[in-house]
Amino acid sequence: AQTVTQSQPEMSVQEAETVTLSCTYDTSENNYYLFWYKQPPSRQMILVIRQEAYKQQNATENRFSVNFQKAAKSFSLKISDSQLGDTAMYFCAQTAYTGNQFYFGTGTSLTVIP
Amino acid sequence: DSGVTQTPKHLITATGQRVTLRCSPRSGDLSVYWYQQSLDQGLQFLIQYYNGEERAKGNILERFSAQQFPDLHSELNLSSLELGDSALYFCASSVVAGGEGSPLHFGNGTRLTVT
Repeated sequence: AQTVTQSQPEMSVQEAETVTLSCTYDTSENNYYLFWYKQPPSRQMILVIRQEAYKQQNATENRFSVNFQKAAKSFSLKISDSQLGDTAMYFCAQTAYTGNQFYFGTGTSLTVIP
Repeated sequence: DSGVTQTPKHLITATGQRVTLRCSPRSGDLSVYWYQQSLDQGLQFLIQYYNGEERAKGNILERFSAQQFPDLHSELNLSSLELGDSALYFCASSVVAGGEGSPLHFGNGTRLTVT
């Protein structure tokens, strides 16, 4: 079975600091994709970043970057220069190249402190 | 704006009633997913449709049903509602049937409150 684990239910960070959110997953697939989604208090689900498992290079989107360790099945999200608007629930997700299922973690609630 | 439209935004109804939630996917997306998110919980996958056909089923109750129409919009029907069905229901769309790394694009959700 494919599972996604986020072991940090809650985190906080000072504004302008850097924070890393952890995610591990379990899959027997060789080719797959990983995502981070953000859910702010408005409850929208917003795609933050996407990583292809066969690419060694870590994905980056402005202040958001990932540390993808394929052998360890780890996919952490780093937020640099944290802003108040980054306060949200963050969900890690995984889908296989050949599959149609998205597997979501239970989320990490991040609070940015002014 | 994700381009996925869900209506209504809010719905308040009584136990035992039936409601219909509607979703219009992004232009060009053929696949629609439905998720349930209870208060302070993660996302529970309910069901997926691709181009009008059911593709995958998750933890969907027998009281719930869905369909995708020829114009690709989808409806989620919830019947014999119980208090525990109160949740945020998301629709998400994707270009492909699955795989190939195409991300899900979520609507803003329908907040269902059963009293």
